Amino acid sequence: DQQVKQNSPSLSVQEGRISILNCDYTNSMFDYFLWYKKYPAEGPTFLISISSIKDKNEDGRFTVFLNKSAKHLSLHIVPSQPGDSAVYFCAASAGAGGTSYGKLTFGQGTILTVHP
Amino acid sequence: ETGVTQSPTHLIKTRGQQVTLRCSSQSGHNTVSWYQQALGQGPQFIFQYYREEGNGRGNFPPRFSGLQFPNYSSELNVNALELDDSAMYLCASSTGNRVWTEAFFGQGTRLTVV
Repeated sequence: DQQVKQNSPSLSVQEGRISILNCDYTNSMFDYFLWYKKYPAEGPTFLISISSIKDKNEDGRFTVFLNKSAKHLSLHIVPSQPGDSAVYFCAASAGAGGTSYGKLTFGQGTILTVHP
Repeated sequence: ETGVTQSPTHLIKTRGQQVTLRCSSQSGHNTVSWYQQALGQGPQFIFQYYREEGNGRGNFPPRFSGLQFPNYSSELNVNALELDDSAMYLCASSTGNRVWTEAFFGQGTRLTVV
């Protein structure tokens, strides 16, 4: 049962353009969502997060949008840079304040390639 | 540099053997979580320890066990290895329980079971 899905295995974008990575979830109990970036031979690095009480969070070139009714979130990177080329994972957590918030449920990842 | 170090980086074991993977966290990080990442998949939560006590477990059999030590290090033990246990194993450490805002992942241990 894949509770967090990233349906695009890969995305190719030209430098300077916008990259949009999508993520869908099925568990209504998820109340916190995160994006991680992973380079080869390194562990995932936290990028940006959003609480379910918000619909948008921005950090520099990175913006995450949350549509709770559609159970969908997206990560926008503007402008995209070659150094952004990596695997991007979305993750979700349920029940902040309880033991379950230690558990992150990850999507399968999307490989982003930004061409110069 | 996340300050989280995992050892070894690569390991090959035979089916049926036992393995211990290690994680060294940053000083003050009293929460550690372990994840299994199969090839082409996202990490899957195995379990978490908070101040040396178990604090949640994912859908993994009992032959996956762990320990957390007072010196901010931890272990993942897997008994009776199966071929499907071949994967990258990641640990993530954080202060307190809010792993999503403060978690730092190690570089992982690549386990191959033959």
